[in-house]
Amino acid sequence: RKEVEQDPGPFNVPEGATVAFNCTYSNSASQSFFWYRQDCRKEPKLLMSVYSSGNEDGRFTAQLNRASQYISLLIRDSKLSDSATYLCVVNAPGGYQKVTFGTGTKLQVIP
Amino acid sequence: DTAVSQTPKYLVTQMGNDKSIKCEQNLGHDTMYWYKQDSKKFLKIMFSYNNKELIINETVPNRFSPKSPDKAHLNLHINSLELGDSAVYFCASSLGGASTDTQYFGPGTRLTVL
Repeated sequence: RKEVEQDPGPFNVPEGATVAFNCTYSNSASQSFFWYRQDCRKEPKLLMSVYSSGNEDGRFTAQLNRASQYISLLIRDSKLSDSATYLCVVNAPGGYQKVTFGTGTKLQVIP
Repeated sequence: DTAVSQTPKYLVTQMGNDKSIKCEQNLGHDTMYWYKQDSKKFLKIMFSYNNKELIINETVPNRFSPKSPDKAHLNLHINSLELGDSAVYFCASSLGGASTDTQYFGPGTRLTVL
């Protein structure tokens, strides 16, 4: 099983739709979780951290499910500008400074 | 003001050549990283330095040698370039190097080996 797995997509959704991505991780000892966003031919940028209690930032909500070892990202009222690849990031076992990136889920918001 | 900068942005070179990529951060961070993103978009860590000290050294060929002259700079030198080295190389930095720290990425260097 890969350390971090994501559905590559693409997810094609109309503007205004709600879309959710999941990401599973293999190591139950992982403690830090993030969602990064990467636009085409650009660098990844932090979208949000994922806390045990879940967190929300505007139209974006992130959740952590430790029992099932997955994190999720929910985007409400999708905008064209949300089109990007969303990378799930989990801290790697055994190394406090090392995180593992998922291969990303591509989202395309259609007018 | 660019927080993490890399040069060059594009690098096209022949197999067998030696090339370097430079990275600088002006965020005052202690930790810097090099990542490789291949054609399948998989972003994999190569090296990490904390205050000029090598912290992470993944399974990377010896042809790749990072150098950190000070904590604001982390350069990557690649000897005897191979076709498989073609990828986008991202430099990143974080405040203290803990896995809870946000990583800030440079714009990437697109390396093409012919």
